[in-house]
Amino acid sequence: DTGVSQDPRHKITKRGQNVTFRCDPISEHNRLYWYRQTLGQGPEFLTYFQNEAQLEKSRLLSDRFSAERPKGSFSTLEIQRTEQGDSAMYLCASSLQGLAGNEQFFGPGTRLTVL
Amino acid sequence: AQTVTQSQPEMSVQEAETVTLSCTYDTSESDYYLFWYKQPPSRQMILVIRQEAYKQQNATENRFSVNFQKAAKSFSLKISDSQLGDAAMYFCAYRDSGYALNFGKGTSLLVTP
Repeated sequence: DTGVSQDPRHKITKRGQNVTFRCDPISEHNRLYWYRQTLGQGPEFLTYFQNEAQLEKSRLLSDRFSAERPKGSFSTLEIQRTEQGDSAMYLCASSLQGLAGNEQFFGPGTRLTVL
Repeated sequence: AQTVTQSQPEMSVQEAETVTLSCTYDTSESDYYLFWYKQPPSRQMILVIRQEAYKQQNATENRFSVNFQKAAKSFSLKISDSQLGDAAMYFCAYRDSGYALNFGKGTSLLVTP
């Protein structure tokens, strides 16, 4: 296993369009997280899955954002009617329940630019 | 809400020297975890070191060590024998019994030959 992967790595879109990102976690990891990182800031938590259940959502996750993890494996993050303020790096991380400290392993991120 | 503060936006160190990155946090919890993550340019974030709050002993991983002062809510990272490959953004992060990591704004570390 090569770690957490994300697709695409870069996405440029026009304001008002919908975009979808995919995250493939480390295969045996049952927990999956989405974060958003804007320029000059640390990552900010968006949402968390344990298996297929979405257990926690940040208030940053507006109604235009939806995340799924249908079979408890890969996850998708969709942004509808994108706005320029959505431009950021979207990071996915995964972890294994019970692992000391619940260490989260991060993917390379998807950089979104909204024109 | 928990907050994590990194007061040094940028730090510079010469190769083979030692540098310390600062981090303070605010929490009312007694049980939590603290982390330092490294994010090299255009590369993914990796965990450098982890500290459990209930452990008094400071964590150490090879050239990386922490100074954890629980009462002062301080968690600094010391990098010894700095190498060119240590150049990166370093993020301090906090997690309590929840799932989300709370990150500071980061410190950009420059390593000069």
